[in-house]
Amino acid sequence: GENVEQHPSTLSVQEGDSAVIKCTYSDSASNYFPWYKQELGKGPQLIIDIRSNVGEKKDQRIAVTLNKTAKHFSLHITETQPEDSAVYFCAAINYGQNFVFGPGTRLSVLP
Amino acid sequence: SAVISQKPSRDICQRGTSLTIQCQVDSQVTMMFWYRQQPGQSLTLIATANQGSEATYESGFVIDKFPISRPNLTFSTLTVSNMSPEDSSIYLCSVETSGAQYFGPGTRLTVT
Repeated sequence: GENVEQHPSTLSVQEGDSAVIKCTYSDSASNYFPWYKQELGKGPQLIIDIRSNVGEKKDQRIAVTLNKTAKHFSLHITETQPEDSAVYFCAAINYGQNFVFGPGTRLSVLP
Repeated sequence: SAVISQKPSRDICQRGTSLTIQCQVDSQVTMMFWYRQQPGQSLTLIATANQGSEATYESGFVIDKFPISRPNLTFSTLTVSNMSPEDSSIYLCSVETSGAQYFGPGTRLTVT
């Protein structure tokens, strides 16, 4: 079955700097890769996703890149703000299968 | 997207009792999921609940402990039965729509 690894487990950046979180997956048949942001006391919120026929997707300050050959995908947050502080989860899915989540990255943006 | 609500948002329960968590979605969806998230951990799928059929449980989760109902396309319940302190977790309802999965706010359960 699918296995998703996520690095780093914790990340601290200065406000205004960029943050990058990387995930690797094992199943080459996986074709959908979402990212979730979970703030304290809340449920995970879908912030961006990418499908296997696309290499990069952007939405304002966040972007996701996918390298199917290497089986990894990354979340990029530019111009970080204190409200970006949260736990971020990646996931990999082969359509029709269950979502497999990474272990999470705790991002702290320091003012 | 989908707007999902859960009740209760949190509860403190005594061991040996049961708690039923409700999940309401603002649109009709075929697939609903229940997850458990232990403190500081990732999301673990408990079961998939499709309307009109029995829930499908993941390894390590059984119907007697986590019975699920799915009476219609906008509602589901998860019961945590005969609770022990090890059941203290956040329980999350999720739905799949348009190929993406959305989560409710979660129910924080503490068992004493």
